[in-house]
Order: sequence, then structure tokens, then C-alpha cells
Amino acid sequence: EAQLVESGGGLVQPGGSLRLSCAASRFMFSSHWMSWVRQAPEKGLEWVANINEDGSVSYYVDSVKGRFTISRDNAKNSLFLQMNSLRAEDTAVYYCARGSLGRIPSDYWGQGTLVSVSS
Amino acid sequence: QSVLTQPPSVSAAPGQKVTISCSGSRYNIGNDFVSWYQQLPGTAPKLLISENNKRPSGIPDRFSGSKSGTSATLGIAGLQPGDEADYYCGTWDVSLSAGVFGGGTKLTVL
Repeated sequence: EAQLVESGGGLVQPGGSLRLSCAASRFMFSSHWMSWVRQAPEKGLEWVANINEDGSVSYYVDSVKGRFTISRDNAKNSLFLQMNSLRAEDTAVYYCARGSLGRIPSDYWGQGTLVSVSS
Repeated sequence: QSVLTQPPSVSAAPGQKVTISCSGSRYNIGNDFVSWYQQLPGTAPKLLISENNKRPSGIPDRFSGSKSGTSATLGIAGLQPGDEADYYCGTWDVSLSAGVFGGGTKLTVL
């Protein structure tokens, strides 16, 4: 069964940066779209970004465009989310997921990593 | 305000059936497949239904999905206490070029 393990979360001040990582195992990572989904405290799921199999195509939710960058290293079976200019409203648990939404659903999820943006 | 609209909560007694609706537009549900996710308290989401009505391996046939036009529905039959969770619908929105989720529905098994 596919396994996804996120890391890199923590407490950061507004305006700061953080890089999340997601280590994938037990499946052919390079053959799958990957996504980041976040969940603010006591709130619902929010799709953040996705990236295609070779990293040449990516999409973002409007609220993070220009601030977040999704990337991947297929040689290392890893997914990343570089988060810059962080705001209080970016505080959430960030989940890495295999797949996306629509015709390619997110069929495996990591356990999540908490990002807290506060002074 | 979510792009996809779900009822905030539903409830039913053990053994009964409940349905959860998900309403969208021609740019999202009307244009692509819908998937449903179950999130038990304190855990990561889990895929329940893909491609509108397909159950991944290991998902009981008590869970069903359907889609008509710009709306989708999740059905859960033979409710069990362990089904208490938050349920989310999701799909791709072509006008936003982004994934979208519903606001989530909290299921209470009375």
C-alpha cells in the first residue's frame, strides 16, 4: 500500500518561509499526479496545489499563487511545497496526497504536518 | 464560502440510510468526476468514492455515490457508530483551473 509522510511543518512568523516535504514509498511515484491539501483548525479541506507526473505542469488555488511553489524530485520520490510570505490565514495542517481531484482523485493521503503562522 | 455546497450536518439512527448532497455548477461537477472523502476525528481524509460512483478496494458496499447534472450524492446505508465523521465531496473546476472541495458534512449516528 502506498505511503506518504510529510515533514517540515512548524511555527513561523508572518512574512516568513517554510518548505514542506513529502516522502513517498511503496508505489511508482513518477507515474502519479501529486497534490497538497490543507485544513485550517476546525475548518474544512482546502485544495492548495497539484503537479503532474514529470513536474512540468502545476496549478494553485488563487490565495497562494505567487507565494507557494509545488515541486517534486522523482529520483528521490519526494514532493515539496515552498511557502513564502506566509500569513496567519495559512495556518493549517498540510496533507500530501497521491492524485488530485476530478478524473484523478486523491487516493492516498499522508498524516499531515502542522504549519502555524504567528508572531 | 466553498465552491461546492454541502449541508453542514446530517444525522440518522444506527441501521438507517442517509444521503449527503453536493451541489456545484457546469464548471465543476457538471464537467468532471466527483470523489468523496471520509475524515474520522483526528485523522487524515480517506477516499470513499471515485469517478462519481466507484468504490476503492476495501470500501464496503454500504457506501454509494451518484451524480446528475451539477449535483452529486453520497449514500451511506446500514449506519454504524463508526461512520460518524466529516464527509467531503471534491472535483476539478475548469473555470478556476483548481481543485475544489465542498464545505464538509458532519454525520452524527444517533
